Amino acid sequence: KAGVTQTPRYLIKTRGQQVTLSCSPISGHRSVSWYQQTPGQGLQFLFEYFSETQRNKGNFPGRFSGRQFSNSRSEMNVSTLELGDSALYLCASSLTKVQPLHFGNGTRLTVT
Amino acid sequence: AQSVSQHNHHVILSEAASLELGCNYSYGGTVNLFWYVQYPGQHLQLLLKYFSGDPLVKGIKGFEAEFIKSKFSFNLRKPSVQWSDTAEYFCAVMGVDQGGKLIFGQGTELSVKP
Repeated sequence: KAGVTQTPRYLIKTRGQQVTLSCSPISGHRSVSWYQQTPGQGLQFLFEYFSETQRNKGNFPGRFSGRQFSNSRSEMNVSTLELGDSALYLCASSLTKVQPLHFGNGTRLTVT
Repeated sequence: AQSVSQHNHHVILSEAASLELGCNYSYGGTVNLFWYVQYPGQHLQLLLKYFSGDPLVKGIKGFEAEFIKSKFSFNLRKPSVQWSDTAEYFCAVMGVDQGGKLIFGQGTELSVKP
């Protein structure tokens, strides 16, 4: 079975721009979560989707948004990028609500 | 407040030494507990999990963890580490009603010297 796939692997954007990251979960997994990883703040939860509905949201500003499609693939969007948004963004999927999460390799976003 | 605290930021051991990484959590409710490992250049991988039952859980690569409910702890252990265990280790909790939302500790970097 293929793992969680995130594209692109690397992104360089300029302050003020917006960016969309993509995640394909493991086949059959319906829950997709997003996390931000930085050296200073560690791993922080952004949001979680299940069957196209956002079920949980972390403590991030509204510039961070996401969605999930009917095939369970998910996208995350960040608008009006700030330097502090530079991070590794991780996507994870799970089979059901409280099953262990399987993580992708992440998208490394650099904001200049 | 919901939080996870890992006792050590960086641990350095020689091969064959025993390992114990501390993890304490604060959460107002029933939780599931996890340890994840991130090898250099690789994605986060599940090491072991605790949902219910026997508080001593065994994971991959000889790792085990013990859940002590009264101490809100979930410490990771391995009797004899190898150079290949060099990685960053993350303790995490998930409320049973909070699907997909893991609260991570800050991570412990383990360096094993050959």
